[in-house]
Amino acid sequence: QQPVQSPQAVILREGEDAVINCSSSKALYSVHWYRQKHGEAPVFLMILLKGGEQMRHEKISASFNEKKQQSSLYLTASQLSYSGTYFCGTEQDNTDKLIFGTGTRLQVFP
Amino acid sequence: DGGITQSPKYLFRKEGQNVTLSCEQNLNHDAMYWYRQDPGQGLRLIYYSQIVNDFQKGDIAEGYSVSREKKESFPLTVTSAQKNPTAFYLCASSIGQGAFGNTIYFGEGSWLTVV
Repeated sequence: QQPVQSPQAVILREGEDAVINCSSSKALYSVHWYRQKHGEAPVFLMILLKGGEQMRHEKISASFNEKKQQSSLYLTASQLSYSGTYFCGTEQDNTDKLIFGTGTRLQVFP
Repeated sequence: DGGITQSPKYLFRKEGQNVTLSCEQNLNHDAMYWYRQDPGQGLRLIYYSQIVNDFQKGDIAEGYSVSREKKESFPLTVTSAQKNPTAFYLCASSIGQGAFGNTIYFGEGSWLTVV
């Protein structure tokens, strides 16, 4: 079942922070976060595993709440390069396949 | 350089025709995937393969077919039975058999337009 992302879209000024949420109605084994520029392939950001720690990549970090079946992506001091559509990919019920969320479009302006 | 190569980048197809999208990877990955993306939408799984000569249907397999005769190749055929095939198609692969803990890498995608 497709996870739900919120918000659907975010507009930021450079240097502002944002949080993107990913919720599933099914138990999750792992959550993957990707960023996609228009017409390009999604680029991997990070994986969060069940029972694992919060991950961080430079000024982007993510958390995984297994009990709530949710993950959040935190973008701190946003840069122009952060613009794009963010997708969470969830592995549900140990099915060995990744189901992607609906996407969150992020635009950062100078 | 290691990576995933999809071809063609752009393809136009007449209604009623089958078309095959190529996907080749030289990463020595076991698992390969095909996703479809419609404008402004998320990625939906069409088929995936965890090992050579084996593949499973994803959420929207109807009207599509795949083969996995070689580890490095996972072509996708869009058949005439697919009613609305115009979309962006992404091939992906991961090192392990499945998604858990394994980063999924994507190719550059193929744009298919039915005219």
